[in-house]
Amino acid sequence: QVTLRESGPALVKPTQTLTLTCTFSGFSLSTSGMCVSWVRQPPGKALEWLALIDWDDDKYYSTSLKTRLTISKDTSKNQVVLTMTNMDPVDTATYYCARSYSRIQLCPEFDYWGQGTLVTVSS
Amino acid sequence: QLVLTQSPSASASLGASVKLTCTLSSGHSSYAIAWHQQQPEKGPRYLMKLNSDGSHSKGDGIPDRFSGSSSGAERYLTISSLQSEDEADYYCQTWGTGLWVFGGGTKLTVL
Repeated sequence: QVTLRESGPALVKPTQTLTLTCTFSGFSLSTSGMCVSWVRQPPGKALEWLALIDWDDDKYYSTSLKTRLTISKDTSKNQVVLTMTNMDPVDTATYYCARSYSRIQLCPEFDYWGQGTLVTVSS
Repeated sequence: QLVLTQSPSASASLGASVKLTCTLSSGHSSYAIAWHQQQPEKGPRYLMKLNSDGSHSKGDGIPDRFSGSSSGAERYLTISSLQSEDEADYYCQTWGTGLWVFGGGTKLTVL
């Protein structure tokens, strides 16, 4: 059974750095074709892809946010970590992690999602 | 530029069928997409992967009432025998070289 769970602070101040952890089970990020993404959703708005890391430690970032994002993995702990620097109130959102897996195509559809964690940016 | 376009809202009656549309941007009509459902106050749930030829594969436990089809750059999600729990936001998602994209979502109201 595949599960993902996001954790991190519920409240951060403007200019601070946000660190979120995705802890997963039911799969290994060392398996060829496996990928984990971070996606966010501001209140009342659409989903926005942020970053992805694959089994080979290749990393991909949203063009609009790439200067602020860092994604990393700890395969032994089944965790993926996202850091976002210089947080602003517009970054207030629910942050999700999601899995992709394919043996024939690079990280396609997100087939399992975490339940999300709400992060509010306010002084 | 890889973009997905969805109508903001749709509605249909309980027990009826509804067809939601996701349109791929010019030059990307061969791309596969995925459909995700987001019920109120919940996280997204993967429904299916939908290929350009209309073939699709569904996620775990997705009822037969959910099906997908394709025509050119359009990707469709059809929900039959609508139930109250189908009232949700529906997002399409696709992927390219080093980027992953969501549509703006369609809010489905079950009347």
